[in-house]
Amino acid sequence: DADVTQTPRNRITKTGKRIMLECSQTKGHDRMYWYRQDPGLGLQLIYYSFDVKDINKGEISDGYSVSRQAQAKFSLSLESAIPNQTALYFCATSDFGLAGNPGELFFGEGSRLTVL
Amino acid sequence: RKEVEQDPGPFNVPEGATVAFNCTYSNSASQSFFWYRQDCRKEPKLLMSVYSSGNEDGRFTAQLNRASQYISLLIRDSKLSDSATYLCAVTVKAAGNKLTFGGGTRVLVKP
Repeated sequence: DADVTQTPRNRITKTGKRIMLECSQTKGHDRMYWYRQDPGLGLQLIYYSFDVKDINKGEISDGYSVSRQAQAKFSLSLESAIPNQTALYFCATSDFGLAGNPGELFFGEGSRLTVL
Repeated sequence: RKEVEQDPGPFNVPEGATVAFNCTYSNSASQSFFWYRQDCRKEPKLLMSVYSSGNEDGRFTAQLNRASQYISLLIRDSKLSDSATYLCAVTVKAAGNKLTFGGGTRVLVKP
């Protein structure tokens, strides 16, 4: 089983619908992240959480919200999906890293979302 | 200007050849640097960390040039299995050590 699991893996929805992408991890990491990937634009950080009570906005948080239900679970919601939110979404986890440097990111397999 | 920029490629490389490509970053306070590899339709995975001037791991060598604000990745004796997109990532400690990714460089190794 994957250490970082995302559901659903693929979703097609319509404009205006509410969508939730879920992420669970078995690595025991405190830090969790949501990224979106568009062709040629790399990974853009949406939200991140360094522990259960900590939620932070990333570069492109508008139109998204998150919930950190437990150390192992971090969900991403699109309250009212729009077509330009069509993208590949990745959840990731990390540990603290060494000497103040960030730890390695471990990614889920991705959730491909299409908004019509 | 993007914070982290990469040539999108593709770099078409004959099997066995050497290929190198750069990643430039705009924030001089950037502190930690990474190369991630992403296969088509898969998740990124860490290839190398670059904490000082450089790092070598087998056929892969990463170098950091702080004066010119870029990191490079060199792949020697390219294998067909090296075909992938290589993403560089940079952190700024003052910004919470979050990783900022470049758009990726696509490498295609051909027989």
